[in-house]
Amino acid sequence: DQQVKQNSPSLSVQEGRISILNCDYTNSMFDYFLWYKKYPAEGPTFLISISSIKDKNEDGRFTVFLNKSAKHLSLHIVPSQPGDSAVYFCAAIETSGSRLTFGEGTQLTVNP
Amino acid sequence: GAVVSQHPSWVICKSGTSVKIECRSLDFQATTMFWYRQFPKQSLMLMATSNEGSKATYEQGVEKDKFLINHASLTLSTLTVTSAHPEDSSFYICSGSGTSGAYEQYFGPGTRLTVT
Repeated sequence: DQQVKQNSPSLSVQEGRISILNCDYTNSMFDYFLWYKKYPAEGPTFLISISSIKDKNEDGRFTVFLNKSAKHLSLHIVPSQPGDSAVYFCAAIETSGSRLTFGEGTQLTVNP
Repeated sequence: GAVVSQHPSWVICKSGTSVKIECRSLDFQATTMFWYRQFPKQSLMLMATSNEGSKATYEQGVEKDKFLINHASLTLSTLTVTSAHPEDSSFYICSGSGTSGAYEQYFGPGTRLTVT
């Protein structure tokens, strides 16, 4: 039972344009969401998070949007840079516990 | 930011031997540490959660006698793969979360285990 899904295994964008990565979840008990970036043979790096009481959180070039009614979140990267090329995982947690549930990841490629 | 180290970064061992992987939080106290494994082109699968000084909680399907986890201090957790077999070959990643009530986990760089 995949409770967090990233339906796009890959995304390719041009440098300077916007990258939009999407994530859907099924468990309505999730109330905190995170995005991680991962390079091959490395551990994930925390990027940005959002609580379910908010619908938007921004940090520099990264903005996360949460639509609770649709159980959907997205990560916007603008402007995209070649160094952003990596696998992006969304993750969700019930804050009553500590267990992160990860999506399958989306490989982002930013072309110069 | 919070830094987590893992050692070794890669290891090759023979089938039937045991391998220990160390996970250290370098600049924060990790009250909870997590162990994941990742197969190629797949997501991170949580194996177990450990709190300092307590027994680890294993996810369904993970053999606790095969994957021994020790969380002896707020900065160190170890995963020992006992009697390793080729199917245990994987990328093992640990993470830690601190005491502030934040939900972010900070990940180590991972350990590539190859069992021959």
